[in-house]
Amino acid sequence: GESVGLHLPTLSVQEGDNSIINCAYSNSASDYFIWYKQESGKGPQFIIDIRSNMDKRQGQRVTVLLNKTVKHLSLQIAATQPGDSAVYFCAENMWATGRRALTFGSGTRLQVQP
Amino acid sequence: DGGITQSPKYLFRKEGQNVTLSCEQNLNHDAMYWYRQDPGQGLRLIYYSQIVNDFQKGDIAEGYSVSREKKESFPLTVTSAQKNPTAFYLCASRLSTGATNEKLFFGSGTQLSVL
Repeated sequence: GESVGLHLPTLSVQEGDNSIINCAYSNSASDYFIWYKQESGKGPQFIIDIRSNMDKRQGQRVTVLLNKTVKHLSLQIAATQPGDSAVYFCAENMWATGRRALTFGSGTRLQVQP
Repeated sequence: DGGITQSPKYLFRKEGQNVTLSCEQNLNHDAMYWYRQDPGQGLRLIYYSQIVNDFQKGDIAEGYSVSREKKESFPLTVTSAQKNPTAFYLCASRLSTGATNEKLFFGSGTQLSVL
């Protein structure tokens, strides 16, 4: 809730700049990845997703890049706005292991300076 | 949020007491989940259920119990065995068509604190 993110890594950007948030995932068998945005005291909101057979996917002002070789995921936000300030989580899906649930990373706090 | 209702928003537990967090969804989703969120950490899976009357333990199930008697409801009980229950609890659901690329929809969370 309100206390989420006390020790999270923080990315501080100027309004209008592009933001890049990185995530290392754990399992080479993961076949689906999602980025969520969480504002203080609220539940996570879906931003964008990507399947493992793709290396890039674009949405409105957001792009997700997937590098399976090094198990790395990134979220790019173009023309960052104050409303983008939040905590961002990546999550991976390990369906092949029989686990029918997303596994979340520890998150990154994005602060947008006006 | 998105048809998932969690209640209450804030809950206080006395030592030795069991408390139950409510989660209801009207999305007609088959699968439901409970995650716990602590400061500085991501979401950790407590329990999940893919169909009515069936559920599986997640990574931190000890001290918690669930039931899934109805498709739309997945209550979480925090028992007295959970010694550090203070956290933000998130319920989520998923349609569960069998496809791997199904995102979770989250409720707005319940903040549980110990008195």
